[in-house]
Amino acid sequence: AQRVTQPEKLLSVFKGAPVELKCNYSYSGSPELFWYVQYSRQRLQLLLRHISRESIKGFTADLNKGETSFHLKKPFAQEEDSAMYYCALGASYGKLTFGQGTILTVHP
Amino acid sequence: DAGVIQSPRHEVTEMGQEVTLRCKPISGHDYLFWYRQTMMRGLELLIYFNNNVPIDDSGMPEDRFSAKMPNASFSTLKIQPSEPRDSAVYFCASSWGTGFTGELFFGEGSRLTVL
Repeated sequence: AQRVTQPEKLLSVFKGAPVELKCNYSYSGSPELFWYVQYSRQRLQLLLRHISRESIKGFTADLNKGETSFHLKKPFAQEEDSAMYYCALGASYGKLTFGQGTILTVHP
Repeated sequence: DAGVIQSPRHEVTEMGQEVTLRCKPISGHDYLFWYRQTMMRGLELLIYFNNNVPIDDSGMPEDRFSAKMPNASFSTLKIQPSEPRDSAVYFCASSWGTGFTGELFFGEGSRLTVL
């Protein structure tokens, strides 16, 4: 069975502070991990995927297979980062299992 | 392309009534997914289709829920009879199958309230 856990439903930081959104997964095979984001009044959309090893809007995420984690990080949070963030695990084509989501609020 | 289109955007109904949610995927996409979003459980996959064929419906909560995809451009999710615990936002998403990229394109969602 595959499972994604995001332990924090709510996360608040001040502008300019570092932010880390936690994600842990459970899967016996080789996982594909993703972060999705939903800004206010916008559609849920892909933010980044671990295989790309890319930085999007200053966010990065490293897959740690030993700790089965895929935490999302940004060194200096901006107000426009405020959104709902979902971690997702892909185990077979197209079937993404999402976590419970974390609402990030960045205060001015 | 207008993206994935869902209707209705909002639905308020009374317990026991039938609810039908509709989805038009992006043209050319061969996968279609129905998800349910609640604060407690996050985003749950209900069912997904490939080339109009249901592949995995293990997430459908119970027999009150059914989904169909009669053609490549239309899908429905039906709840009959509806119950207050079905209140949630229901998302439809689509993707195309040349390799697993993990990118699903979501609709704006249908917010269902069952009184």
